[in-house]
Amino acid sequence: GAGVSQSPSNKVTEKGKDVELRCDPISGHTALYWYRQSLGQGLEFLIYFQGNSAPDKSGLPSDRFSAERTGGSVSTLTIQRTQQEDSAVYLCASSPSSGRGEQYFGPGTRLTVT
Amino acid sequence: KNEVEQSPQNLTAQEGEFITINCSYSVGISALHWLQQHPGGGIVSLFMLSSGKKKHGRLIATINIQEKHSSLHITASHPRDSAVYICAVRGATNKLIFGTGTLLAVQP
Repeated sequence: GAGVSQSPSNKVTEKGKDVELRCDPISGHTALYWYRQSLGQGLEFLIYFQGNSAPDKSGLPSDRFSAERTGGSVSTLTIQRTQQEDSAVYLCASSPSSGRGEQYFGPGTRLTVT
Repeated sequence: KNEVEQSPQNLTAQEGEFITINCSYSVGISALHWLQQHPGGGIVSLFMLSSGKKKHGRLIATINIQEKHSSLHITASHPRDSAVYICAVRGATNKLIFGTGTLLAVQP
């Protein structure tokens, strides 16, 4: 079956613009995660959705970052007033049931802020 | 000190060698993941384990909960094993905490 998909695969934007990144999880997966991988840095957690529960937003680096998950499926990560330090690969992952299973990663969106 | 430490950071091996990558963590966990990331590629989950040992083909992962330590072994290494290997732990909140990764290069 289809894996996790993300769009766009690459995004170049000017500093100060808003961007939206999309994630389509594996059908039926109730847990969805967003991570960020900056150049030369490791992966860091951003936000976690589990079913209809309130999301865990503890990893969002600033109030310019927000995410939503509509209908328990597709998720959008929005970055407002982008800054150069937001340049990174943004990865989405999904996991079945309670979120305690393996995570399946999407290919990522490479964001470049000029 | 990072909550998840990996060693070595970089590893070069000759084809056929037995490889070990280590991961130590300092927090309570419900599971530990080993991930693989090829250059320019996506991330693939290799193992998720909470105790004991798992084996997939030439890959073996072990975990010692008491010592808060896990190892990833690759037997009969091959150039296609060249990648970044990432250890990640999952705590009570289900979010992953990642190590900084081990860059493995297997030379023919």
